[in-house]
Amino acid sequence: DTGVSQDPRHKITKRGQNVTFRCDPISEHNRLYWYRQTLGQGPEFLTYFQNEAQLEKSRLLSDRFSAERPKGSFSTLEIQRTEQGDSAMYLCASSLQLNEKLFFGSGTQLSVL
Amino acid sequence: KNQVEQSPQSLIILEGKNCTLQCNYTVSPFSNLRWYKQDTGRGPVSLTIMTFSENTKSNGRYTATLDADTKQSSLHITASQLSDSASYICVVSGGLTTDSWGKLQFGAGTQVVVTP
Repeated sequence: DTGVSQDPRHKITKRGQNVTFRCDPISEHNRLYWYRQTLGQGPEFLTYFQNEAQLEKSRLLSDRFSAERPKGSFSTLEIQRTEQGDSAMYLCASSLQLNEKLFFGSGTQLSVL
Repeated sequence: KNQVEQSPQSLIILEGKNCTLQCNYTVSPFSNLRWYKQDTGRGPVSLTIMTFSENTKSNGRYTATLDADTKQSSLHITASQLSDSASYICVVSGGLTTDSWGKLQFGAGTQVVVTP
């Protein structure tokens, strides 16, 4: 499968714990995006990488959230001290060029108890 | 206020029938408009992308239209199949800068249920 892959597919954690998600984009895509989606809503932009550089972060990305893409390939999204409001689907997407269509992964469904 | 509004919020149609979904946007300036299909528990999959100069674009049984003057788009599904049951999301890319990706505005989606 050469699409965008995300791991894990599901994560259940207790409030206050830290969680980390991984995204492997399509190999030749240099642009990588993280989105968050809650039930009945469209995805909300969190952050964006061009190669290893994190070029923009949404104000939705509080200081408990951090994303990295150390070698310009896979990316990780970490949430520290999780809160129940963090429960959502976290989607990763990649694209080759600016303004080309985004290819989304299947997402990581986070449930914070 | 969301800059991309979709209607209806949900609809139920019989297999084999046609349906039309609406998307109104206020994003300005405008770069392109995209329709995505999202199955439950999966990531969105691109159906069409239309720029300012394009009025219509088809992808199989899906046909999208765009009226950039009235800032309206529609997605028409012809001869619906059970596999068309999904959420359909309208996404508008704004800005005329070289990096307009960051201005992607997502609608909340229309949930379509196709029944036998």
